[in-house]
Amino acid sequence: EPEVTQTPSHQVTQMGQEVILRCVPISNHLYFYWYRQILGQKVEFLVSFYNNEISEKSEIFDDQFSVERPDGSNFTLKIRSTKLEDSAMYFCASSELSGSTDTQYFGPGTRLTVL
Amino acid sequence: DQQVKQNSPSLSVQEGRISILNCDYTNSMFDYFLWYKKYPAEGPTFLISISSIKDKNEDGRFTVFLNKSAKHLSLHIVPSQPGDSAVYFCAASAQGGSEKLVFGKGTKLTVNP
Repeated sequence: EPEVTQTPSHQVTQMGQEVILRCVPISNHLYFYWYRQILGQKVEFLVSFYNNEISEKSEIFDDQFSVERPDGSNFTLKIRSTKLEDSAMYFCASSELSGSTDTQYFGPGTRLTVL
Repeated sequence: DQQVKQNSPSLSVQEGRISILNCDYTNSMFDYFLWYKKYPAEGPTFLISISSIKDKNEDGRFTVFLNKSAKHLSLHIVPSQPGDSAVYFCAASAQGGSEKLVFGKGTKLTVNP
């Protein structure tokens, strides 16, 4: 069964460093998303991406965040200068159709720890 | 911002009995609802969804009921199995508008053998 994959599973970084989280969405999916879950809190939407551009972003997704689809398979989330409060599980998701009408399938997540 | 609420943080049931997980929402623009199951250190796994044009959707042991007037949905698992023990998230989206899913805080279900 096709699935969303994410690497690395765990990333430890120093505050102020840049990190790139990687995702391989399901191959025939066209819509891509990043969510995060801070420990003990809800899963929160960060950004959606379609047709090589951001289609929607949340207030959390400020200038230190960026997304990219560098090739036909990968989808990345970059955090330019990490803060302690960026420590969270980051989930990538994808859907075949628009996420407002179709199921979003999630990857296993990357645990980001900022020291 | 509590647009999607799961008021029971935990639920414990016996194997073979029914599990009922509840979810309330406040945003009347929501019209597509999903339930996800999540094990520790894994991502949310899709279980079942329902569109606002329906009031019930069934898939094997899982049934989701939607009461639009009450802005309430529930997930029924019958019969419950120990492997169902996980955190269950309710999520919602607004068709024709935002693509984001809005999640509840989750309910931890424990099915005892």
